[in-house]
Amino acid sequence: DGGITQSPKYLFRKEGQNVTLSCEQNLNHDAMYWYRQDPGQGLRLIYYSQIVNDFQKGDIAEGYSVSREKKESFPLTVTSAQKNPTAFYLCASRDDGFSEKLFFGSGTQLSVL
Amino acid sequence: KNQVEQSPQSLIILEGKNCTLQCNYTVSPFSNLRWYKQDTGRGPVSLTIMTFSENTKSNGRYTATLDADTKQSSLHITASQLSDSASYICVVSRSGTYKYIFGTGTRLKVLA
Repeated sequence: DGGITQSPKYLFRKEGQNVTLSCEQNLNHDAMYWYRQDPGQGLRLIYYSQIVNDFQKGDIAEGYSVSREKKESFPLTVTSAQKNPTAFYLCASRDDGFSEKLFFGSGTQLSVL
Repeated sequence: KNQVEQSPQSLIILEGKNCTLQCNYTVSPFSNLRWYKQDTGRGPVSLTIMTFSENTKSNGRYTATLDADTKQSSLHITASQLSDSASYICVVSRSGTYKYIFGTGTRLKVLA
């Protein structure tokens, strides 16, 4: 199946710990995004990457880091500097055609122990 | 400021009834507007896309409208089904950027 795969579905972080969320796509899309979703709020952009080996900070990048070494993969690390990491994290890739359609993964729920 | 506002925040209807969700935006320059459906604990899935020149577009029981002059869009759901229970998110993309502005969504609950 073509699409975006996020793992794990659920993740728990201990105090002072860094955790990494995986995002893999087989849609051959150049652009990929990481969003954070909190109850009652719209999706907020953490990081985005338009092409391999390039990425830009979004609106709420503090406490997060990313890498884009391969076109298919865009992992997100939630560092210990992120003091309120509990949220639903969504990875997306963008159709390179006219539609600019975003394709989303099924999300990772991160909670703090 | 680029914003997308949706109403109502939540809605409960009986199965088989129709409903209309609203989206107002102040995003500029405007490229297109999408409606997404998000089931609980899942990623959003695109329902429709509206460009500047389009007024109405249908996708099965979903019909989206766009008034570019008043910067308003609506999503009409006909003959609702239990599986329509989800959050519906309005998303506007800005021309010339790779960024999207998301509304907070309308949470729809369809009761049997």
